[in-house]
Amino acid sequence: DAKTTQPTSMDCAEGRAANLPCNHSTISGNEYVYWYRQIHSQGPQYIIHGLKNNETNEMASLIITEDRKSSTLILPHATLRDTAVYYCIVTHQRGNKLVFGAGTILRVKS
Amino acid sequence: DTAVSQTPKYLVTQMGNDKSIKCEQNLGHDTMYWYKQDSKKFLKIMFSYNNKELIINETVPNRFSPKSPDKAHLNLHINSLELGDSAVYFCASSQEASGAHNEQFFGPGTRLTVL
Repeated sequence: DAKTTQPTSMDCAEGRAANLPCNHSTISGNEYVYWYRQIHSQGPQYIIHGLKNNETNEMASLIITEDRKSSTLILPHATLRDTAVYYCIVTHQRGNKLVFGAGTILRVKS
Repeated sequence: DTAVSQTPKYLVTQMGNDKSIKCEQNLGHDTMYWYKQDSKKFLKIMFSYNNKELIINETVPNRFSPKSPDKAHLNLHINSLELGDSAVYFCASSQEASGAHNEQFFGPGTRLTVL
């Protein structure tokens, strides 16, 4: 599975959009980009995934560049409850084997 | 209703003991997993079972043995516990569906402390 690179931490003001970048320059054609998050003392939670098109669901939007070498997770209106570690994972379609990196610590501040 | 549950939530034990962590999912999923999150917060997959059969087995010491009595349960047995086994263990499950992505649902975790 391709490796990913994410910033160690980011801050975001409550109510503003949080944009979390992820680099995955070695991604192969059949690999998907998945995002999970882990709120303190809880298990990870699925957010969204995509192949090459932009995706949106009730939690977030995923923007994947045309060359697929990077992506951005967007939380449109961050709240304090969105403070968590966000993991960008590249894996094959089934998403069975998730390889978690260090992730990005997102701190939403009032 | 809790989708993926684990017991116990906390487990404190002495080196050399044998312990088990239980996991149950009520989602009707076919696949279950065990992950380990160490003190540095890195989360690593240990095992994956699909319909009671082992499909992923990462480099994990033989002291760790998953047991799946039915597809709703995947228990983790650990023999001869060592200090380095101290971690948070997460169980997860997903629906195995051909051609579809498998969103994994995680349990709340079991914090194991070996003294």
